[in-house]
Amino acid sequence: EPEVTQTPSHQVTQMGQEVILRCVPISNHLYFYWYRQILGQKVEFLVSFYNNEISEKSEIFDDQFSVERPDGSNFTLKIRSTKLEDSAMYFCASLPGVRSGANVLTFGAGSRLTVL
Amino acid sequence: GQSLEQPSEVTAVEGAIVQINCTYQTSGFYGLSWYQQHDGGAPTFLSYNALDGLEETGRFSSFLSRSDSYGYLLLQELQMKDSASYFCARLKDDKIIFGKGTRLHILP
Repeated sequence: EPEVTQTPSHQVTQMGQEVILRCVPISNHLYFYWYRQILGQKVEFLVSFYNNEISEKSEIFDDQFSVERPDGSNFTLKIRSTKLEDSAMYFCASLPGVRSGANVLTFGAGSRLTVL
Repeated sequence: GQSLEQPSEVTAVEGAIVQINCTYQTSGFYGLSWYQQHDGGAPTFLSYNALDGLEETGRFSSFLSRSDSYGYLLLQELQMKDSASYFCARLKDDKIIFGKGTRLHILP
């Protein structure tokens, strides 16, 4: 079964450092997402990406964050200068097409970011 | 108005039936989804309702009432492996947003 792949599974970094989280969405999917989940809390939307550009972003997704689709398969989330409160699980997800039947998000296994 | 409201925790006994409710704000509503998340895992899709009524998938069913802006997930014949968090979710513009999740505790 097709899956969304994320790397690394766990990253530990120092406050102020740059972090890049990588995702390979399902190949024929059109919409790509990053979500964040602080331990024990809800899954929070960060950003959606369609047709090689950001289609929507949340208040959390400030200037420290950026996303890229550098080639036909990878989808990256960059945090420019990490803060302690960026410590969370980051999930990548993809969707075949919006408003086309069940909106079934397929999530990757997540990248746990720990900022010290 | 995008928020989804669901109880934070529910406790039930193995073998029983449990219902997890979700209310939502109606602006731009297309349908309601349910996801399951085990500790340390990723959310996985369970069910979706675009229209009023019940959708059944094995032991899990989901119900939607658009006139009441309300839905629920029904889990039957509870098993210990059903202990997880359950999130209702909805499409809003080009994003899918989640409720805060309901932690289901199952007692033997």
